Formats: sequence, C-alpha cells, structure tokens
Amino acid sequence: KNEVEQSPQNLTAQEGEFITINCSYSVGISALHWLQQHPGGGIVSLFMLSSGKKKHGRLIATINIQEKHSSLHITASHPRDSAVYICAVFNNDMRFGAGTRLTVKP
Amino acid sequence: DVKVTQSSRYLVKRTGEKVFLECVQDMDHENMFWYRQDPGLGLRLIYFSYDVKMKEKGDIPEGYSVSREKKERFSLILESASTNQTSMYLCASGLTDVRFTGELFFGEGSRLTVL
Repeated sequence: KNEVEQSPQNLTAQEGEFITINCSYSVGISALHWLQQHPGGGIVSLFMLSSGKKKHGRLIATINIQEKHSSLHITASHPRDSAVYICAVFNNDMRFGAGTRLTVKP
Repeated sequence: DVKVTQSSRYLVKRTGEKVFLECVQDMDHENMFWYRQDPGLGLRLIYFSYDVKMKEKGDIPEGYSVSREKKERFSLILESASTNQTSMYLCASGLTDVRFTGELFFGEGSRLTVL
C-alpha cells in the first residue's frame, strides 16, 4: 500500500464547479505539500501545510493531522485548472501520491 | 523566480545507449534531486545531492549514476539505457531547509523513450 493515497485518480468537472481532491497518508509528517503539474510536465508548488488551512485565490488546502488527511479545494473551477494535482508528505524525505488528473470542461 | 532548467524535454534512445540528462538551477541551491515519474506511481527518488561532489542514493538508484561537479548543475546518467527506463525524469532543487520542509522547485521534465 502506498504511504500516500489520493482520490479520485481522475476527475472531470464542468466550469464553475467546486472541486475537492483528497489525500490520506499513513506516516508521521512534518509538512504536506500540494503540487500542480501541467500537461507540459513542469511541477509547481501550490501549498505547504503543517496544520490548519491555507488559501490562495480560488484554491484552499486543509489538513487534519490527527486523521492524517488533507484536502485541496478549487472554487469556481476553470478550464485552466486542468492539471494533475499531487499530494506529497515530508518527514526527512518526500513521499508522493500518484496524482489526481483534473479536467475542467468549458 | 527560481529557475530549474532541464536540457532536453524529449529524448528517444536505443537500448544500450548512454544517456545524459542535465539539470541547471540558477538560485544557488545546495540541494538537487532526480526523480522519475511513471503512470499510477508517485514520483520516486533516484539520487540526490546536498553539496558539490556529494551524492546519495534514493529509492531506485539501480541503473543510474549522477554527477555534481558544480553547485548549479546535477546530471543524471544512464550508462546503458534499457526499455524499463522509459519514463518522465524530473529534476528539483531546494534550499538548505529542504531537509526540514521538503520545499522543492522542479524543472519542466525530460521525457525519455528507450526503444
């Protein structure tokens, strides 16, 4: 079993919908990262969390340390949000989830 | 902005060929990493380096070697490419505190196909 599990693996939404991507992990961590990978391949960091909640524009990330769970929410989704979203946990080294492929249709 | 540049976006090589993947970062980061990414799997660490001329094995170093002669450059070498090394290769760099936070900056990736 992977130490970092993401769900769903694939997600298709209509423009404007509220999106939730989930991440569960089985190890102790010092930080959790949400990353975005566009079709070209490059990966950018969206959030780094160790507790609570962070918001950046239409993106919100939450983490529940006790439940070992994090969610990434996208409000008012747009086709340009189409990408692979990757959850990664850090404790001495990084462990990555397999990613969630999001497609937002106009 | 931090820039991590990978020399080749797409490569096609034949089995047995030697392959060099180059990565350069322009922010004076001490730490550099090579990952491979395969469908259905998370990124897996091949090698990393915390300083010039220093390297450490990651989770899947077999069939790979690395070189870090200068701080800004970290090269991944496939001595004799095999078809199971067909993959997306991602380079990343980070500041000293990457060991405490895991905050990484990634390149655009190099998609290697071995025929």
